[in-house]
Amino acid sequence: SAVISQKPSRDICQRGTSLTIQCQVDSQVTMMFWYRQQPGQSLTLIATANQGSEATYESGFVIDKFPISRPNLTFSTLTVSNMSPEDSSIYLCSVEDRGPGSSYEQYFGPGTRLTVT
Amino acid sequence: DAKTTQPPSMDCAEGRAANLPCNHSTISGNEYVYWYRQIHSQGPQYIIHGLKNNETNEMASLIITEDRKSSTLILPHATLRDTAVYYCIVSPAGNQFYFGTGTSLTVIP
Repeated sequence: SAVISQKPSRDICQRGTSLTIQCQVDSQVTMMFWYRQQPGQSLTLIATANQGSEATYESGFVIDKFPISRPNLTFSTLTVSNMSPEDSSIYLCSVEDRGPGSSYEQYFGPGTRLTVT
Repeated sequence: DAKTTQPPSMDCAEGRAANLPCNHSTISGNEYVYWYRQIHSQGPQYIIHGLKNNETNEMASLIITEDRKSSTLILPHATLRDTAVYYCIVSPAGNQFYFGTGTSLTVIP
């Protein structure tokens, strides 16, 4: 299974600033995903990031607020822009990896815990 | 939106089997059933997935009903370390995951 790391693991930021979260995987993968988990809530998909194309955002998420880069098959970044306290969440990246037969599995990074003051 | 329904919480005695149900009555023919768990807000951990046949691995067994409208995750001998939130997700071939609220499993000594 793919091994995923994220940087930073946690951060405390002031409102109005931006934070870029890095996601690194130990193998080449086609699809990477970014999720948000607000306090006490389940995970919500932000966007799908494929190498060489623009990220595809889910309803309620926009590129100006959450710009994503995917420069190669092992790396992606998510920026949380112009932060407010409502952006305080855990941000997780995941990758799609080949499973048995024609199926795929998703593996998640450890998450980045963001607190906005 | 999530296409699954799970009970919000369950308890299980240590050493006993934990049976976690999931309803997915609108599942499509090309959608797999995936199970993940999340411990202490760590990244979700993959457990098992299946299409229509029952599956077993070193962690758990997955029982899918013949009509595929529901499934059960079985942890055969629950330990305290199995206390976590368990998510059932349906998705075609591991594409975008839409998480529901999951089941919070507490294993009791």
